[in-house]
Amino acid sequence: DIQMTQSPSSLSASVGDSVTITCRASQSIGSYLNWYQQKPGKAPKILIYGASSLQSGVPSRFSGSGSGADFTLTISSLQPEDFATYYCQQSYSTPRSFGQGTKLEIK
Amino acid sequence: QVQLVQSGAEVKKPGSSVKVSCKASGGTFRSYTISWVRQAPGQGLEWMGGFIPIFALVNYAPKFQGRVTISTDESTSTAYMELSSLRFEDTAMYFCTTGNGDYATWFDPWGQGTLVTVSS
Repeated sequence: DIQMTQSPSSLSASVGDSVTITCRASQSIGSYLNWYQQKPGKAPKILIYGASSLQSGVPSRFSGSGSGADFTLTISSLQPEDFATYYCQQSYSTPRSFGQGTKLEIK
Repeated sequence: QVQLVQSGAEVKKPGSSVKVSCKASGGTFRSYTISWVRQAPGQGLEWMGGFIPIFALVNYAPKFQGRVTISTDESTSTAYMELSSLRFEDTAMYFCTTGNGDYATWFDPWGQGTLVTVSS
């Protein structure tokens, strides 16, 4: 099974800041990497699929990059609604697996 | 855009089973795209299993193999997840979602979640 490791586990930032979250796979997964945002009490929401493709309707301040085993999610110019938990997920093989999450909090 | 609406919260005793439903509305129900993901309180997301569209077969995570059954009813546009031999650690929010692409590579949309509580 492929293990996904995110860093950091938590992050404090201010509105207007730019932040980067990293995700590392235990083996190469090509570009089969997706990013989700989850707010308390809500279902996850897809942000980025295929490592760098922005889902329709998602603001362009979200961007993804990487391939192989190392990936990043960057949020530029943080907005109040961006404070949430973010998860990466590999779709290279089954069982599908998620990172442990990165909680983005307001500083 | 398809919307997924799940059944209500459940309280179950250890050793029993639970069956959660997920009804699609507002679009074409693609039954062979459904996956189920759970989230224990305060924890991360865990894929339990789902269809891989190109194969039209259900694939289960080894952790749940033998305890979980994912099924669909095309006539009612509804998917089901049944988990048996419930344990206290199965207390979680259970989400249905649809996989996109031939290999269900990313998940969207999602149901609102169903809280299953296992308690004696």
